[in-house]
Amino acid sequence: GIQVEQSPPDLILQEGANSTLRCNFSDSVNNLQWFHQNPWGQLINLFYIPSGTKQNGRLSATTVATERYSLLYISSSQTTDSGVYFCAVRPGMSGAGSYQLTFGKGTKLSVIP
Amino acid sequence: DSGVTQTPKHLITATGQRVTLRCSPRSGDLSVYWYQQSLDQGLQFLIQYYNGEERAKGNILERFSAQQFPDLHSELNLSSLELGDSALYFCASSPQRAGANVLTFGAGSRLTVL
Repeated sequence: GIQVEQSPPDLILQEGANSTLRCNFSDSVNNLQWFHQNPWGQLINLFYIPSGTKQNGRLSATTVATERYSLLYISSSQTTDSGVYFCAVRPGMSGAGSYQLTFGKGTKLSVIP
Repeated sequence: DSGVTQTPKHLITATGQRVTLRCSPRSGDLSVYWYQQSLDQGLQFLIQYYNGEERAKGNILERFSAQQFPDLHSELNLSSLELGDSALYFCASSPQRAGANVLTFGAGSRLTVL
């Protein structure tokens, strides 16, 4: 099956710093989502971004599908950004009607005051 | 609130027991997905239902079963529970629309098996 690798596995930032999280995938995809799992365990949609660039406030994401990677940018980080960030993909060759996502292992972000 | 409702939020039970986790999808979503998150295995896909029918199966144990009802809510049944089944179980839903099939996750059900 498709492999999803996220880097770095752990990241510690001072409040106000910027960061870039990376997601590499081993095959073509037709769905890619970034999620934030907060310290209470909730998985929150950040972006649906199978290709291109999107921005939402201090967060932005870019997916270069032809090179099989996606980047999540966090600017001016805040303590509330702490948690685990997951990249999840749906392979382009998935069976018809099966839309499940395969998750990477995540990047654990800790933002300290 | 994501619109996907999962109950119960927390559940503590003993080995050998059986539990049922419930999920109500977002209004208008026809597909429901179940995922298991454990410390050593990460987020693993278990099973997907679309409009009452099983559509895809992942790493779901034979002791586990699921169904989606006519009102589109879904239940995940876990039986003969083992210590290793302790995990966070997520339900997600999506509209099943090619080109924009965004999965939205519920808050999860945390199962502890003692």
